[in-house]
Amino acid sequence: EAQVTQNPRYLITVTGKKLTVTCSQNMNHEYMSWYRQDPGLGLRQIYYSMNVEVTDKGDVPEGYKVSRKEKRNFPLILESPSPNQTSLYFCASSPLMGVGYGYTFGSGTRLTVV
Amino acid sequence: DAKTTQPTSMDCAEGRAANLPCNHSTISGNEYVYWYRQIHSQGPQYIIHGLKNNETNEMASLIITEDRKSSTLILPHATLRDTAVYYCIVRVTGNQFYFGTGTSLTVIP
Repeated sequence: EAQVTQNPRYLITVTGKKLTVTCSQNMNHEYMSWYRQDPGLGLRQIYYSMNVEVTDKGDVPEGYKVSRKEKRNFPLILESPSPNQTSLYFCASSPLMGVGYGYTFGSGTRLTVV
Repeated sequence: DAKTTQPTSMDCAEGRAANLPCNHSTISGNEYVYWYRQIHSQGPQYIIHGLKNNETNEMASLIITEDRKSSTLILPHATLRDTAVYYCIVRVTGNQFYFGTGTSLTVIP
């Protein structure tokens, strides 16, 4: 089944403890992206990647890192999480952009930083 | 950058057509209009997309005005399972999608 898989689904952590949220897709998509969703603010893009070793900032990149060493994986790294990063996170992937294809989203990761 | 404007919320009677409007007055000529929906806190689900022509699939129809400044998503026979937040999206710059806050559709029994 074609899908985007995020792990973990739920995570509670403490301020300053480094964490990684994994994202993997099995559709050979070039484009991958991370979003965060907060009440009243909709979905905001954190980082995106157009292919292996190519990443770029979205609208809210501060406090996050990403890497794209393999086409299928796009982990989101929080080096020193803070409470304002408590949010619902979504990973998404897509084939070539600009030709009318949309995203496939993962099921989400609910992160709480205390 | 093309962005979208949608009503915050709408109600629709079960079995009736739900018509969800979207304004995207600054859309560029090569930018597609996409519609997604999000049920509770699940990952957004693709519904339909279009460029200039009206489109229809098994889930919905998309009507785009001739000047492309607005569009309407039509759910022909809304069911309770269609209660969700619906996002109208156009590509902003490069490969970024602007989601906005969407329309919360409630289907009423």
